[in-house]
Amino acid sequence: GQNIDQPTEMTATEGAIVQINCTYQTSGFNGLFWYQQHAGEAPTFLSYNVLDGLEEKGRFSSFLSRSKGYSYLLLKELQMKDSASYLCAVIQAGFKTIFGAGTRLFVKA
Amino acid sequence: GAGVSQSPSNKVTEKGKDVELRCDPISGHTALYWYRQRLGQGLEFLIYFQGNSAPDKSGLPSDRFSAERTGESVSTLTIQRTQQEDSAVYLCASSLLGPEETQYFGPGTRLLVL
Repeated sequence: GQNIDQPTEMTATEGAIVQINCTYQTSGFNGLFWYQQHAGEAPTFLSYNVLDGLEEKGRFSSFLSRSKGYSYLLLKELQMKDSASYLCAVIQAGFKTIFGAGTRLFVKA
Repeated sequence: GAGVSQSPSNKVTEKGKDVELRCDPISGHTALYWYRQRLGQGLEFLIYFQGNSAPDKSGLPSDRFSAERTGESVSTLTIQRTQQEDSAVYLCASSLLGPEETQYFGPGTRLLVL
C-alpha cells in the first residue's frame, strides 16, 4: 500500500530549531516535496528532494534518505510567521503525487 | 495570468444539486491537478492532466465526479448529485511540465453542501 506519516502537531519556541519528520511507503519514488500551508490558504512550495542528502535554502533545509523512506524538514531561527501546516508529498511511480496529512506547527513567543 | 485562479471562491449548494468548479492554470503550464482537502486534513489527489495525454482519474472518489480540460488551459471539475460529505476545499494546481516540478496552487473553492 501507500502511506505517508507525519506528526500531527508540533510546538516550538521563537528563535529555536524544529525538525519535522516524514516517513513514506509508496509504489515507486520519483521525488519528495515539502509545502507550507497557512490556515485558510493554499499550499506553497518549500523544497524538493530526489537524491539522498540535505538541501539547504535559507532558514529551511530538507533531508532525504530513499533507502529508509524518510525525509525531514528543518526550520531554523523560528519566527511567529512559521506557524503553519507543513505537508510532505511524494511522487510515486506513474507520477501521482500523494500528500501526507500535514504537521501543524505552533510557534510560541 | 500571474498565478492559478479558481472560481467560485465559495459555493454553497443543496444536497443533490450539481456543481461546477473552474480552474485557470498558469499560462504555459502543461500539467494540471485537482485535490480535495477536508477540514483539518491533508490533500487528497483527485485527477491529473498532462498535455494531451489521457488524464489520470484514479483519485476520483465516485462516478459523480468528473473533470475536463480544454487543451492546456481551463479545467472544470463537476460534482453531480452533491452529498454532504463532498463539503471540502477543492484545490487546483499547475506545473510547467509534470509532477516532478513545483506545483503552484490556486486559492481553492470552498464547497459547502447543506
